[in-house]
Amino acid sequence: DAGVIQSPRHEVTEMGQEVTLRCKPISGHNSLFWYRQTMMRGLELLIYFNNNVPIDDSGMPEDRFSAKMPNASFSTLKIQPSEPRDSAVYFCASRGDSRDNEQFFGPGTRLTVL
Amino acid sequence: AQSVTQLDSQVPVFEEAPVELRCNYSSSVSVYLFWYVQYPNQGLQLLLKYLSGSTLVKGINGFEAEFNKSQTSFHLRKPSVHISDTAEYFCAVSAAAGNMLTFGGGTRLMVKP
Repeated sequence: DAGVIQSPRHEVTEMGQEVTLRCKPISGHNSLFWYRQTMMRGLELLIYFNNNVPIDDSGMPEDRFSAKMPNASFSTLKIQPSEPRDSAVYFCASRGDSRDNEQFFGPGTRLTVL
Repeated sequence: AQSVTQLDSQVPVFEEAPVELRCNYSSSVSVYLFWYVQYPNQGLQLLLKYLSGSTLVKGINGFEAEFNKSQTSFHLRKPSVHISDTAEYFCAVSAAAGNMLTFGGGTRLMVKP
């Protein structure tokens, strides 16, 4: 089992550029979650998908952020345009069709916007 | 809605000493409770979870937690910590019938030699 895969692991970009973060959930899992972690705000849920459909995006900071899940094995989180305050570690997690709500986290993408 | 409070942002402790990391939650419905650990520059990894049944839950790496419904707590304990336990620990709660986890602010455990 490869676990949740995220790419890239590190991203450094300049303000105003578009950033795309990628996630491959665990095979067979039907829920996918995007989180952001910062020192100031801790771990925040941005959006989650169930069966590839966005269910709750109330945590998405603003229109500059968008997320897609075109199929069960791939999701993207896009920031356009990026700003320095978007610097954070972004985690993807997936959950199987179980009853215990356990989520499995990827290693994260550390984003630095200069 | 559920909420989680981790009362200590940092807990320094000497190696081989016991440790308790505190977690309190609030919810109007039945809940599942979780502890995750995050080692430096890594993602979150499940330590243990309470779903139902015995209130004492044993997890990986010698950790255990006790669910106390009357005190709405789920404190994490280890009788003797190692340097390698230095990490950030997150308590989380979900409604038993829900999908989402609500995380606490985290507690940084610092084990000193």
